Amino acid sequence: ELKVEQNPLFLSMQEGKNYTIYCNYSTTSDRLYWYRQDPGKSLESLFVLLSNGAVKQEGRLMASLDTKARLSTLHITAAVHDLSATYFCAVDWHSNYQLIWGAGTKLIIKP
Amino acid sequence: KAGVTQTPRYLIKTRGQQVTLSCSPISGHRSVSWYQQTPGQGLQFLFEYFSETQRNKGNFPGRFSGRQFSNSRSEMNVSTLELGDSALYLCASVPNDRENTGELFFGEGSRLTVL
Repeated sequence: ELKVEQNPLFLSMQEGKNYTIYCNYSTTSDRLYWYRQDPGKSLESLFVLLSNGAVKQEGRLMASLDTKARLSTLHITAAVHDLSATYFCAVDWHSNYQLIWGAGTKLIIKP
Repeated sequence: KAGVTQTPRYLIKTRGQQVTLSCSPISGHRSVSWYQQTPGQGLQFLFEYFSETQRNKGNFPGRFSGRQFSNSRSEMNVSTLELGDSALYLCASVPNDRENTGELFFGEGSRLTVL
């Protein structure tokens, strides 16, 4: 059974600081996703990582994938308040859009 | 392009009733999947449809069912509602073939409250 673990589950940080969210998964998979969710809202796609060593960046967010270590990271650079949200990673089990999700990391960025 | 449309957005039901939720995918997308989100269990996969066929099903009881129509619109039904079915139900669609980067596009969700 595929399991996806995120850590930390809660993160409070100051604006301007850097931090990393980690996503470990237990079984080989071809696709890893990062999504953002604001309170009461739906899921917004951030990144889809498809291969070992993949790195994608959008603004202050950068995601990477190490399939050998079964680890993905989401790095936040010089955080700003607007990045406050819950961030989820998910792994596509059997590459058939049956996503297995991490528990989410609630990120609060204080001015 | 219009996004994924889910209706209704909010609904309240009582135990024992049934509910039907609707999802219209982005035009041209043929794969539709459903997820349940609760504070206790997080996000869980319900089922996935492609061209009117259910290809995958998550670990949910038979009270949860779905279908997809020829226009790719999908519905899910929950019968004999229980308090624990209160959740945000999210629908996602996936582009076809050449456009497919593997990305799932989610609708705004249907928030079900069971009293």
